[in-house]
Amino acid sequence: AQSVAQPEDQVNVAEGNPLTVKCTYSVSGNPYLFWYVQYPNRGLQFLLKYITGDNLVKGSYGFEAEFNKSQTSFHLKKPSALVSDSALYFCAVRPDYTGKLIFGQGTTLQVKP
Amino acid sequence: DGGITQSPKYLFRKEGQNVTLSCEQNLNHDAMYWYRQDPGQGLRLIYYSQIVNDFQKGDIAEGYSVSREKKESFPLTVTSAQKNPTAFYLCASSLSGANVLTFGAGSRLTVL
Repeated sequence: AQSVAQPEDQVNVAEGNPLTVKCTYSVSGNPYLFWYVQYPNRGLQFLLKYITGDNLVKGSYGFEAEFNKSQTSFHLKKPSALVSDSALYFCAVRPDYTGKLIFGQGTTLQVKP
Repeated sequence: DGGITQSPKYLFRKEGQNVTLSCEQNLNHDAMYWYRQDPGQGLRLIYYSQIVNDFQKGDIAEGYSVSREKKESFPLTVTSAQKNPTAFYLCASSLSGANVLTFGAGSRLTVL
């Protein structure tokens, strides 16, 4: 079955420290990969995507993600976390030749001052 | 401003009643989607439509119905057959083929 896994329900990091939010996927072919962020009681906002090319993708608000085909991972990273980065983060994958996204269960990022 | 508008933001329903959630977009997007969000379960796809007058079931379509009579509109009806309808519902759209999705602000449905 096609799926996306975010192994951590919550990630805690101190402001100024680097952060990583993990994502692994299980789909066939060459999927498109995405990260979205959600603030409380709001819709999701697009952060970045990987389709092809350079394995390191840069996105909004200083976030980046690294695609690793052999490990089927697409971890979200930021060199220096801000308190305002605290939110719910979703990884998503679009399998080849489909018209839909599959989302992970989400990871809550808590950045403390 | 272009975007997606969902209404109502909050909705309360008695058991046994059908309710329709509205989703309108002025982005000229071809594809539209409905997701359900429950705590700890992420987003689950209910229905999606890639073109007017056509739609497909997602992973949890039972107890829901949709229509796509206009490009701009994709209403979702939560029927009395849906066993556990209390949830946060999110509508989204994209230019085509689930590339980058633009989401609405969501509708929170509570069944009393």
